[in-house]
Amino acid sequence: AQSVTQLGSHVSVSEGALVLLRCNYSSSVPPYLFWYVQYPNQGLQLLLKYTSAATLVKGINGFEAEFKKSETSFHLTKPSAHMSDAAEYFCAVSDRENTGFQKLVFGTGTRLLVSP
Amino acid sequence: GAGVSQSPSNKVTEKGKDVELRCDPISGHTALYWYRQSLGQGLEFLIYFQGNSAPDKSGLPSDRFSAERTGGSVSTLTIQRTQQEDSAVYLCASSLLGYGPYYEQYFGPGTRLTVT
Repeated sequence: AQSVTQLGSHVSVSEGALVLLRCNYSSSVPPYLFWYVQYPNQGLQLLLKYTSAATLVKGINGFEAEFKKSETSFHLTKPSAHMSDAAEYFCAVSDRENTGFQKLVFGTGTRLLVSP
Repeated sequence: GAGVSQSPSNKVTEKGKDVELRCDPISGHTALYWYRQSLGQGLEFLIYFQGNSAPDKSGLPSDRFSAERTGGSVSTLTIQRTQQEDSAVYLCASSLLGYGPYYEQYFGPGTRLTVT
C-alpha cells in the first residue's frame, strides 16, 4: 500500500524565512503526489499536485515542490514565509496504477508556525 | 460557486446514540468521499461514492458505520451506537470524476463529532 511520511510534526520559522516541509513517499512506481493546507476550523485546500508532467511543481500562495525520484521525496518550499502561512500542511499520495478512484493516503501533517 | 458543505458543523452526542452527518457536494461532481481526521489516526479514508454506488467501503472502521448517497448528490454518513473513539472531524470531499489525478478533490469544512 502507498504511504507518505512527513518529517516533523511542527516546523517554526520567522516571517520572511525559507519554509521547507518534508515529505517522503513509499512506492516503487512514481505515484501522484499532493500537498494540502488546512487552516484552523476549515477543510483542506489543494496547494499543488505532481502528476509526472514536470518535476518542479508550482502551486498557490507562492509554494512549490520538487519531485525527486532518487530520494523518493516531494518536499514543499516557499522562499519567504508570511504570517498567513501558519497552518497545517498535509502530504498525500494517490496510486498511479489505480485506474479506479483517486483514494488519497495522507501523511500525519506538519504544523507550520510563523513568528514575527 | 458554492463549495462542499457539511452539516452540522459540530455535534455532541452521548455514547450509544446514533448520529447522521450530511454532505452536500459541489453540483455536478460525480465522486464523493468521506474521510475522518482524529488525533490518534490522522486523516483516513472511509468510503467513496461514484454516483450513488459505493465501490469501496474498505475504510469504514466497523459495521456501526454506514453511508448512502441519493440522486448522485447528497450523502449521509451514519454512525450507530456511537463510541468515544468515534470522536473526530469527519470530512467530505467531492470531485468531478473519481479517477485520475486531474480531478481535484474539494473538501468541505468538516463536522466535529464529540461523543461523551
